[in-house]
Amino acid sequence: NAGVTQTPKFQVLKTGQSMTLQCAQDMNHNSMYWYRQDPGMGLRLIYYSASEGTTDKGEVPNGYNVSRLNKREFSLRLESAAPSQTSVYFCASSEVWGTREQYFGPGTRLTVT
Amino acid sequence: AQTVTQSQPEMSVQEAETVTLSCTYDTSESDYYLFWYKQPPSRQMILVIRQEAYKQQNATENRFSVNFQKAAKSFSLKISDSQLGDAAMYFCAYRGRDDKIIFGKGTRLHILP
Repeated sequence: NAGVTQTPKFQVLKTGQSMTLQCAQDMNHNSMYWYRQDPGMGLRLIYYSASEGTTDKGEVPNGYNVSRLNKREFSLRLESAAPSQTSVYFCASSEVWGTREQYFGPGTRLTVT
Repeated sequence: AQTVTQSQPEMSVQEAETVTLSCTYDTSESDYYLFWYKQPPSRQMILVIRQEAYKQQNATENRFSVNFQKAAKSFSLKISDSQLGDAAMYFCAYRGRDDKIIFGKGTRLHILP
């Protein structure tokens, strides 16, 4: 039982390049989330998916796209990376009943030069 | 939109003493969940404690307890008998009816030996 996994752990991009951050969970959760964490800003929600095939914008969606490929996987795509997207990205999942606790991946540190 | 405010960017406490971290939130909903998460230097997000808004009794988990004041929209975290391992960033989080989870900006807690 791996929980929530994210790849890659580290990435350096040049301005204008594109990349996809991958996230997968093996807990059969319906809800999945992408956050970015910047110093002094806490975790800000980029996108959210309540179930397979559905996605919704969070607080800071501009410059990002997401795909909920199936129940397990939720990817985040940067089409044209900008230095302002330098951040640590976290994926999380949770259930919509019970404890409703979020389970987090280990994070991806992305640097855009 | 819901907001979560942590007014203390940093706090320090002597080892073995008690410290309280503040959190206030703004919502028009009556049914929601509140969480405190800990983020040590490893960057992993760890759930500390959770509270359902419909429960009047304050949640406790070993040395961690909350003071939940629903009318005041306040959700503070008390750490008793502080230990060196408690040093971390602490985030307050709100989960509402739409299942989006919003975080505060965090409080960095230092434990003084």
